[in-house]
Amino acid sequence: QTLVTQESSLSVSPGGTVTLTCALSSGSVSTAHYATWYQQTPGQPPRTLVYNTNTRSSGVPDRFSGSVLGNKAALIITGAQADDESDYLCVLYLGSGIWKFGGGTELTV
Amino acid sequence: EVQLLESGGVLVQPGESLRLSCAASGFNFISYAMHWVRRAPGKGLEWVSGISNSGGATYYAESMKGRFTISRDNSKTTLYLEMNNLRVDDTAVYFCVRLSTGGPRGWFDSWGQGTLVTVSS
Repeated sequence: QTLVTQESSLSVSPGGTVTLTCALSSGSVSTAHYATWYQQTPGQPPRTLVYNTNTRSSGVPDRFSGSVLGNKAALIITGAQADDESDYLCVLYLGSGIWKFGGGTELTV
Repeated sequence: EVQLLESGGVLVQPGESLRLSCAASGFNFISYAMHWVRRAPGKGLEWVSGISNSGGATYYAESMKGRFTISRDNSKTTLYLEMNNLRVDDTAVYFCVRLSTGGPRGWFDSWGQGTLVTVSS
């Protein structure tokens, strides 16, 4: 069974840049996996940050960007702010109608 | 405005069954694939199941196969999730989610507020 893996935790200094990644247990991530990145919001549905690999969702600050870096999907936060401290999850389309979420990254600012 | 309103979440005992509903409005329901995603307490998100816009294709996470059944009634613009033989680890908030296309590829572009299913003896 294919797993989607993320860093369990990362830290970044205020104003710094951090890259969160989303990888497959077998194979490389490409745009065909339609990577989407979410910020967990307690008691609410998750907030969509980036979808379709690199499209920023409406209202999301431009310090958030998405891409494929090497063989992984990546969420890059440039100029991190205190309120970026949160849990971030990715989801990938694995084909044949199957989707898989990563385990999430706890980001400390 | 896209609205997805889940209902049906309650407290049930292990082994029991439950049906969740998601009433959709504000968009052309028949044009979009729909999915269920859940979040267990203190955990991340888990994709549960999806259904194509026509209802002709259904998809399940491995751990839900054989226990959960997704369906839709396009005339009522409603999505369903029938859950059987519920287990304690099925306890979660269940979200109704719209895919950006008729399926299967795309991205999840709208989420409901979720309905809480608690499985406990």
